[in-house]
Amino acid sequence: DAKTTQPNSMESNEEEPVHLPCNHSTISGTDYIHWYRQLPSQGPEYVIHGLTSNVNNRMASLAIAEDRKSSTLILHRATLRDAAVYYCILRDVGGGGADGLTFGKGTHLIIQP
Amino acid sequence: EPEVTQTPSHQVTQMGQEVILRCVPISNHLYFYWYRQILGQKVEFLVSFYNNEISEKSEIFDDQFSVERPDGSNFTLKIRSTKLEDSAMYFCASSEGRYNTEAFFGQGTRLTVV
Repeated sequence: DAKTTQPNSMESNEEEPVHLPCNHSTISGTDYIHWYRQLPSQGPEYVIHGLTSNVNNRMASLAIAEDRKSSTLILHRATLRDAAVYYCILRDVGGGGADGLTFGKGTHLIIQP
Repeated sequence: EPEVTQTPSHQVTQMGQEVILRCVPISNHLYFYWYRQILGQKVEFLVSFYNNEISEKSEIFDDQFSVERPDGSNFTLKIRSTKLEDSAMYFCASSEGRYNTEAFFGQGTRLTVV
């Protein structure tokens, strides 16, 4: 699976929107963009995924650049419970991808009350 | 909401002993996985399991490791002869499909080898 680049950490205030960036300049046409997060002392948790169009679900929104070389996870109104490490992961659905998720270091999101 | 459950939550074992970590994946899921996370490090893929056999394994998953689905509900990871460096959180996960579906993770088993 292709590589992603994320900032090591970001800080935001409670009840404000958070935009978590991810660069994936070597993305292929069959790579889906997945986001997971890991709250302290817990297992990873799925957040959202998409291919080309922006996606929304109850947890977050995913904005994908037109050239697909970057994406942004948007938490519309951060709460203290959103403090976690957020991982941007590419999944190749073209048959050549790995079964498992390849986790990087992710972005450590700190939420200030 | 359906969830992946893992037992035990914490296991302490002596070096050289065998351990079995247990997982109950979500019932209608077809793909099962084990990951590990050494303290302070990244989550690492170990193995995937589909249709009663290993689908893919990483370099970490050597001959000391094995997986089994002994019945219709459990999925186990066995470490034959534990080493100090096997100390880590072990996460089980399951998914409906292979690539483009979300993976559900359990809360993990903390394995401490002494």
